Amino acid sequence: ETGVTQSPTHLIKTRGQQVTLRCSSQSGHNTVSWYQQALGQGPQFIFQYYREEENGRGNFPPRFSGLQFPNYSSELNVNALELDDSALYLCASSLRSSGYNEQFFGPGTRLTVL
Amino acid sequence: AQTVTQSQPEMSVQEAETVTLSCTYDTSESNYYLFWYKQPPSRQMILVIRQEAYKQQNATENRFSVNFQKAAKSFSLKISDSQLGDTAMYFCAFTVIQGAQKLVFGQGTRLTINP
Repeated sequence: ETGVTQSPTHLIKTRGQQVTLRCSSQSGHNTVSWYQQALGQGPQFIFQYYREEENGRGNFPPRFSGLQFPNYSSELNVNALELDDSALYLCASSLRSSGYNEQFFGPGTRLTVL
Repeated sequence: AQTVTQSQPEMSVQEAETVTLSCTYDTSESNYYLFWYKQPPSRQMILVIRQEAYKQQNATENRFSVNFQKAAKSFSLKISDSQLGDTAMYFCAFTVIQGAQKLVFGQGTRLTINP
């Protein structure tokens, strides 16, 4: 069974640029959630994708957008990067069911905005 | 609003000692789960233990156990016989069993186990 993978591991961008982060969900999972973890903080929920549609969003501006593909992998896109976007971006996959859906995390992408 | 508060930014104990990490949360929901996650320097968020709110019995997983006080909205983690590999950031988290089931995390406690 393949776990959650994310690419790239590290990324450096300059203010105003755009970035795309990628996540491959664990085998058999159909839902992907994205979290932003600023340095020294706990992760914050950005949004979730289920069946290629956004299924819940946290308090993040529209310049944070995403996609989910038919194979359930996902992308997080951030436009007009700001210095405060520097963070660890975590994705988590799960299998949606009627009860509790455990989320399995990837190793994260460290984004630095200069 | 749903919030999770961890009041201990850092803790340090000697190997083999017992340590307790504190967490309080706030919610008006009745159907929820509470979690403790471990994040070592490798950054991978690992689930340590899970507690269903409707269960009165405290969850245990080997050396890890929780003290769940629902009325007080308190959820502490006890690590017994601590090991060097337990050194990590520990996050308390909460989710409501509806909708996206987003995880709401606390600020974290940096735990160091000293040899």
